[in-house]
Amino acid sequence: GEDVEQSLFLSVREGDSSVINCTYTDSSSTYLYWYKQEPGAGLQLLTYIFSNMDMKQDQRLTVLLNKKDKHLSLRIADTQTGDSAIYFCAEKGNDMRFGAGTRLTVKP
Amino acid sequence: DAMVIQNPRYQVTQFGKPVTLSCSQTLNHNVMYWYQQKSSQAPKLLFHYYDKDFNNEADTPDNFQSRRPNTSFCFLDIRSPGLGDAAMYLCATSRNRDTYNEQFFGPGTRLTVL
Repeated sequence: GEDVEQSLFLSVREGDSSVINCTYTDSSSTYLYWYKQEPGAGLQLLTYIFSNMDMKQDQRLTVLLNKKDKHLSLRIADTQTGDSAIYFCAEKGNDMRFGAGTRLTVKP
Repeated sequence: DAMVIQNPRYQVTQFGKPVTLSCSQTLNHNVMYWYQQKSSQAPKLLFHYYDKDFNNEADTPDNFQSRRPNTSFCFLDIRSPGLGDAAMYLCATSRNRDTYNEQFFGPGTRLTVL
């Protein structure tokens, strides 16, 4: 089957920018999502982007979409310790398909 | 606050002993989903209900069943849990199944099989 892929770990220092990358393979996906999962909690929708857009900004979050390369990224500006969590990329075609998640660790 | 609630948060069962996980929602959403999430893996959709219409994923084992007695509640039944069924089970809801419909997730139930 087609997979959504993302690197498993990212470590940054507090105040730096974090960039989490994702590749997807279903060209029919119309929406792409970023979810955040904190320890012991469910997935929380952070932001999404429609496939005809190439960028979306929402406060500290910037989503970039390269539809030609099927590449999605999430940039978190001024990363804080409270941003430490697992971040899931997901695509929505007929079904919702998730990546395995990137564990972001923010060091003080 | 409107939300998706899962009970219990932690469940321990014995190999082969049936277990039921519970999900309820106050969002009045039409669709309820069950996902299985193993450590360091993507959540995997097991099945979903669109209203009373049950939709099973092709690779979901027969060992997993679901019931939705009303709009608010949905249950996941594991008839004979194996060691490989130990995982986090996530319930989610969405208003509809349209292309854009945000899924709202519960906190999950972590299942341990002894």
